[in-house]
Amino acid sequence: DVVLTQTPSILSATIGQSVSISCRSSQSLLDSDGNTYLYWFLQRPGQSPQRLIYLVSNLGSGVPNRFSGSGSGTDFTLKISGVEAEDLGVYYCMQATHALTFGSGTKLEIK
Amino acid sequence: QVTLKESGPGILQPSQTLSLTCTFSGFSLSTYGMGVGWIRQPSGKGLEWLANIWWDDDKYYNPSLKNRLTISKDTSNNQAFLKITNVDTADTATYYCARIGDYDGPFAYWGQGTLVTVSS
Repeated sequence: DVVLTQTPSILSATIGQSVSISCRSSQSLLDSDGNTYLYWFLQRPGQSPQRLIYLVSNLGSGVPNRFSGSGSGTDFTLKISGVEAEDLGVYYCMQATHALTFGSGTKLEIK
Repeated sequence: QVTLKESGPGILQPSQTLSLTCTFSGFSLSTYGMGVGWIRQPSGKGLEWLANIWWDDDKYYNPSLKNRLTISKDTSNNQAFLKITNVDTADTATYYCARIGDYDGPFAYWGQGTLVTVSS
């Protein structure tokens, strides 16, 4: 099974600060079809998860452009360029190259 | 507009079978490339993928739970279903269904979730 390791597990940021979350996979997520099936989600308190990024770096519909994704192979990063209050919650990476697994989550707190 | 809504028994006893329904609108499971997935989340914990079903009735299961899960669909009524056999307290969680899109891939749309409690 593919394991996704997210770091840090908790992240504390001030409004306007830029932050990054790492997602490392136990196996390469590059599929034989050339795609890398790595996604990022945000789950705000009391809400269902919302998909932010698909296929490593593509911004989801309606997602603010302060969010960006990057990476390849086994190492991936979600960056928030200028945290806003509405960004608090838990961030999850997810891979769909080898079956489907979620990372353990990164909780973003606002100072 | 794509919407999904989960429904379930709320509470059930250990060893029973959990039956969940996902009723959706705004897309069809008869359309090439479309699918529905089930994901669960124990209170205060992370997300766990359970199963996916596709327009062509192809099915994929979480290997760690595969022998307890059955996913199915009713295309005419825009519903997907998940059964989990022999439940225990570890199956207590909020259960979500989410769309797998033909162009936008997995889980761009989620239901609100339904809380299932397993208790004697």
